[in-house]
Amino acid sequence: DTGVSQDPRHKITKRGQNVTFRCDPISEHNRLYWYRQTLGQGPEFLTYFQNEAQLEKSRLLSDRFSAERPKGSFSTLEIQRTEQGDSAMYLCASSFPGGYTFGSGTRLTVV
Amino acid sequence: DAKTTQPTSMDCAEGRAANLPCNHSTISGNEYVYWYRQIHSQGPQYIIHGLKNNETNEMASLIITEDRKSSTLILPHATLRDTAVYYCIGDRDGNKLVFGAGTILRVKS
Repeated sequence: DTGVSQDPRHKITKRGQNVTFRCDPISEHNRLYWYRQTLGQGPEFLTYFQNEAQLEKSRLLSDRFSAERPKGSFSTLEIQRTEQGDSAMYLCASSFPGGYTFGSGTRLTVV
Repeated sequence: DAKTTQPTSMDCAEGRAANLPCNHSTISGNEYVYWYRQIHSQGPQYIIHGLKNNETNEMASLIITEDRKSSTLILPHATLRDTAVYYCIGDRDGNKLVFGAGTILRVKS
């Protein structure tokens, strides 16, 4: 499989619980991005990594959100104390200069 | 990165060419124009990108005006599977893509 993989595809959680999503990028891509998308809107940038370094974080990324990319390979996005407003599609993308490839996303529903 | 403006929605008959416009009047000289599309419940899919010259690939053609203030994505023979949201994005330094609301293209039989 040469695409970007995200796991899980769907997650339903109760408000206040912590959730963690995983993204496996294309192996030769050194940049990895996280986006969030709510219904009817385009994807919103959250953060990106170049190799293992987190180079930029959006103001959308509150202190309940944390992302890691140990060893510059896969990445995790954790949301602590989830709120109903966190319900969205979380998209991961990886890139090499000139091209971005997106995964199919993780759909989070907070009930 | 340049702000882009696209129509909210468009309809196209199956088999006909779909022409999707995008205005990017504030685009700078080193910003590429990227087009992505997103089919329901999937991640965005790359279509094409260009800087100054018109570009063509197996999916589409990109026509960029000489002043680079606007561009048109052309799907030469639209099919029902081309129904999607199409995003036009200006990207200067490749740090990240900034998406707008895009254009909902509905291909009808």
